[in-house]
Amino acid sequence: TAGITQAPTSQILAAGRSMTLRCTQDMRHNAMYWYRQDLGLGLRLIHYSNTAGTTGKGEVPDGYSVSRANTDDFPLTLASAVPSQTSVYFCASSDSADPGGTQYFGPGTRLTVL
Amino acid sequence: GQNIDQPTEMTATEGAIVQINCTYQTSGFNGLFWYQQHAGEAPTFLSYNVLDGLEEKGRFSSFLSRSKGYSYLLLKELQMKDSASYLCAVLDSNYQLIWGAGTKLIIKP
Repeated sequence: TAGITQAPTSQILAAGRSMTLRCTQDMRHNAMYWYRQDLGLGLRLIHYSNTAGTTGKGEVPDGYSVSRANTDDFPLTLASAVPSQTSVYFCASSDSADPGGTQYFGPGTRLTVL
Repeated sequence: GQNIDQPTEMTATEGAIVQINCTYQTSGFNGLFWYQQHAGEAPTFLSYNVLDGLEEKGRFSSFLSRSKGYSYLLLKELQMKDSASYLCAVLDSNYQLIWGAGTKLIIKP
């Protein structure tokens, strides 16, 4: 089972350009999440989706947008990238049937905005 | 505000035991997670505690005291592959995970 896949693995992006980070899961989990991880900080939630067709804002949503057209896919779009969006981005999914709604993570996308 | 505190870095010797502490102050509590993250990789689930006490899972154990806002992860018989960051996270009243910055564990031979 693939679990969660993310693409691309890494990317260098010029400031002002747009980009979509892709995330796909094959576990039929209802909930999906996007986090960013920066050195010295905990994972910070950008956006989440509790079920297909719904999305919500996390702790740091500004500059990012998401959509959830179906259960499997949860893309994250940066409309106009800025250097402060340089980070490692993790997608995660969870099923309410798991204890505490355990989240499972994709391998991450390392994004550098210059 | 919500806060998760854990040591930034710890060093231990192969074959020994190490305890990684986590204290939290959150709006509500619906459980505490420990994740392991090797450098350059994704976090992977280790344990979940929602009731007070010790949960043992092989070489790893996790303890929770809700009244003290405190948890620890105990790693026994340390192996070099245990060198990683260990992340503490609390599920708050809105069922959102609040993450600590992680503890980098260095294992020396």
